[in-house]
Amino acid sequence: ETGVTQTPRHLVMGMTNKKSLKCEQHLGHNAMYWYKQSAKKPLELMFVYSLEERVENNSVPSRFSPECPNSSHLFLHLHTLQPEDSALYLCASSHSGRREYYGYTFGSGTRLTVV
Amino acid sequence: AQKVTQAQTEISVVEKEDVTLDCVYETRDTTYYLFWYKQPPSGELVFLIRRNSFDEQNEISGRYSWNFQKSTSSFNFTITASQVVDSAVYFCALSEKNTNAGKSTFGDGTTLTVKP
Repeated sequence: ETGVTQTPRHLVMGMTNKKSLKCEQHLGHNAMYWYKQSAKKPLELMFVYSLEERVENNSVPSRFSPECPNSSHLFLHLHTLQPEDSALYLCASSHSGRREYYGYTFGSGTRLTVV
Repeated sequence: AQKVTQAQTEISVVEKEDVTLDCVYETRDTTYYLFWYKQPPSGELVFLIRRNSFDEQNEISGRYSWNFQKSTSSFNFTITASQVVDSAVYFCALSEKNTNAGKSTFGDGTTLTVKP
């Protein structure tokens, strides 16, 4: 267990489906992130939440909708996705606003396939 | 703006060889943090090391060692006597003290293949 749990591990969905990815951490971290990692491409930051408030949205299409109901949970709601959205979606958490940063703790990721 | 460059896209070595992964960064802040992560085929990124900008002491952990040089803005990672289990994608990352929520900027990663 890494301390950050992502579910599901694998997801296959049609372009008209609606699904949600879930991320949970009990490390006492107050910042959470969604990253997208496509095949042979670098990590792309999607969203940043600090103290449950979205502080960054990197021009992500509206078919991706994040939600952070509390400091331990982060969701990524998906609807009408495209095949190019197929990727590994990684959640991470960290301390924020402290004197030092200790880096991220990542979840295992959700491997999403859009058909 | 912060930037991390990992110029080596792919490296292939034979087991027991030493290998160095390069990382060059750009930042205007005087206080920042550097990290290395390992991503094995399973997909999960694993934290390896953190270094803050005021600590230039090199570090060794078993077969792993890190060379931090502010003069050249580099934070290189060396694996000694590589093993097949070291095969993974390795990411270097940078966090400036004043960025949003401690956000890290990642390099594009270096894929290391260690052949038996």
